[in-house]
Amino acid sequence: DSGVTQTPKHLITATGQRVTLRCSPRSGDLSVYWYQQSLDQGLQFLIQYYNGEERAKGNILERFSAQQFPDLHSELNLSSLELGDSALYFCASRSQGEGETQYFGPGTRLLVL
Amino acid sequence: LAKTTQPISMDSYEGQEVNITCSHNNIATNDYITWYQQFPSQGPRFIIQGYKTKVTNEVASLFIPADRKSSTLSLPRVSLSDTAVYYCLVGANDYKLSFGAGTTVTVRA
Repeated sequence: DSGVTQTPKHLITATGQRVTLRCSPRSGDLSVYWYQQSLDQGLQFLIQYYNGEERAKGNILERFSAQQFPDLHSELNLSSLELGDSALYFCASRSQGEGETQYFGPGTRLLVL
Repeated sequence: LAKTTQPISMDSYEGQEVNITCSHNNIATNDYITWYQQFPSQGPRFIIQGYKTKVTNEVASLFIPADRKSSTLSLPRVSLSDTAVYYCLVGANDYKLSFGAGTTVTVRA
């Protein structure tokens, strides 16, 4: 158990819909990262937040957005969903002073029909 | 971010030692080398991290030569449960992780 929690575990929705994925980092971790892993694809970095502020952006679509709240949990919002958005979405957190290790959550499996 | 190159796949048998070499010719002075393991439908799990020479923990060893342009992850006496994808990453100080295709290690009985 990494200490990072993600909800929901599974999500099935239709094209055009909007969903929100939630992540709670390890206690005390200020950095939260979001990744997407499509079938047979590697992990793609989407976005990073640090203590409530956006720190880095990767290949995140304009239809996707994220935020980190004062209690440090983060949400990833996916809108106007397309079939190709079906994937595993992972959240990871990291704390200062532990080198460059990120701790990953169990993921949310999104299926867009 | 330093680019890494590692084999796409490796096969092994139970009880053998598996060594996966990762090339990172453009590694920067303050970059760390980190290895992750991922099972299907699970998040990557940190295995080991090093900066230079050799690092060992209860799971694996990491060998880093003096020039740091490559590193070797050594998994001693693998079992069937070590079948997974192993990723080598290089970076420093709050970098965003860039996962390549990784090395798929298949352990057979």
